Amino acid sequence: SSELIQDPAVSVALGQTVRITCQGDSLRSYYVSWYQQKPGQAPLLVIYGKNNRPSGIPDRFSGSSSGNTGSLTISGAQAEDEADYYCNSRDSSGVIFGGGTKLTVL
Amino acid sequence: QLQLQESGPGLVRPSETLSLTCTVSGDSISASSFYWAWIRQPPGGGLEWIGSIYYSGRSDYSPSLKSRVTISVDTFTNQFSLTLNNVTAADTAVYYCARREWSGLYNWFDPWGQGTQVTVSS
Repeated sequence: SSELIQDPAVSVALGQTVRITCQGDSLRSYYVSWYQQKPGQAPLLVIYGKNNRPSGIPDRFSGSSSGNTGSLTISGAQAEDEADYYCNSRDSSGVIFGGGTKLTVL
Repeated sequence: QLQLQESGPGLVRPSETLSLTCTVSGDSISASSFYWAWIRQPPGGGLEWIGSIYYSGRSDYSPSLKSRVTISVDTFTNQFSLTLNNVTAADTAVYYCARREWSGLYNWFDPWGQGTQVTVSS
């Protein structure tokens, strides 16, 4: 099966914009979804489909895709955005997740 | 509001069978077009999809776990279950259940249960 590659760690200054990326061949065919996970908590869906946010997710979260890369952008990062972020998509065998990106808000 | 809750033993002996149940509340498992999924996360690690099931019983599994996994559904109790055979220490993880929506182009999981820790040890 294919895989999704994420940078292990990314940092952003408080109030600045950060982009978290996810690369994989499956993203040429399927949309990516994004999850936020804070310590000791279950993952929380933040972006799905083309660029949709579930109810309750702030509009500073947005998603985009180009070629084999999907991106999650946080515009004006807040302290509470510090978390692990995982991407996810389908592939020919079922479902795959990226390895996760640890976001630090400085 | 849809909620999912995992339950089952927290400790399983090596070579034995892991069995977990996910109880769905706030909606009927059979009243919608969603699938119902199991996902796990080893200590300090990332997320791994195990498999999913439709209320009709149609299921799909991760190729790496397919030989050891069975997911079943009980529409009367509004539950779905996971069994994983012949476990080893590598199966130690937090196990999550979640609702899965997928189509030709899309796949996402929402909401998730709170997760249950399963440790494989003698």
